[in-house]
Amino acid sequence: DAGVTQSPTHLIKTRGQQVTLRCSPKSGHDTVSWYQQALGQGPQFIFQYYEEEERQRGNFPDRFSGHQFPNYSSELNVNALLLGDSALYLCASSGTLQETQYFGPGTRLLVL
Amino acid sequence: AQTVTQSQPEMSVQEAETVTLSCTYDTSENNYYLFWYKQPPSRQMILVIRQEAYKQQNATENRFSVNFQKAAKSFSLKISDSQLGDTAMYFCAFMKRTSYDKVIFGPGTSLSVIP
Repeated sequence: DAGVTQSPTHLIKTRGQQVTLRCSPKSGHDTVSWYQQALGQGPQFIFQYYEEEERQRGNFPDRFSGHQFPNYSSELNVNALLLGDSALYLCASSGTLQETQYFGPGTRLLVL
Repeated sequence: AQTVTQSQPEMSVQEAETVTLSCTYDTSENNYYLFWYKQPPSRQMILVIRQEAYKQQNATENRFSVNFQKAAKSFSLKISDSQLGDTAMYFCAFMKRTSYDKVIFGPGTSLSVIP
């Protein structure tokens, strides 16, 4: 049973560029949540997708957007990258009962 | 708004000994879940243990157990027979027991197991 997968594992971008991160949920899960984890801190909730719609959103600017596909996989897009966007981006998936979120290995983004 | 506090930024324990990590939280909710997640240097966030607030019995998973004090809003993690592989960041986390909610994480405790 495959767990949550994310790609790429590492990414280097420059300020002002745009980036797309990808996530495939655990088999049987239909909900995907994205988190940003700055170095030395706990993850912060960005948004959550269910049935291809954004269901909840944390305190992140509109530069952060996402998408969920019919197969439940998801993308996180960040426009106009800032140095402060450098972080580990974690994707988590959960099933219909929403009891527990399972995390992927993350994508490390470095903005120069 | 819910908050999660972990007052111990760093801890260490001798191999085979027992260690307890502390966590407190603040919420006005009555139905919720509490979690401990482990994040080793490989950075994969791994679920260690989950507690449903409506259950009085403390959760246990092998060497890991919790002390859940709902009235005090306290949720500590005890690791028995510590192993080198337990070295990691440990995050205490909260989630409301409603549909489609987010997980709120504490700042983490860095645990080092010393041979």
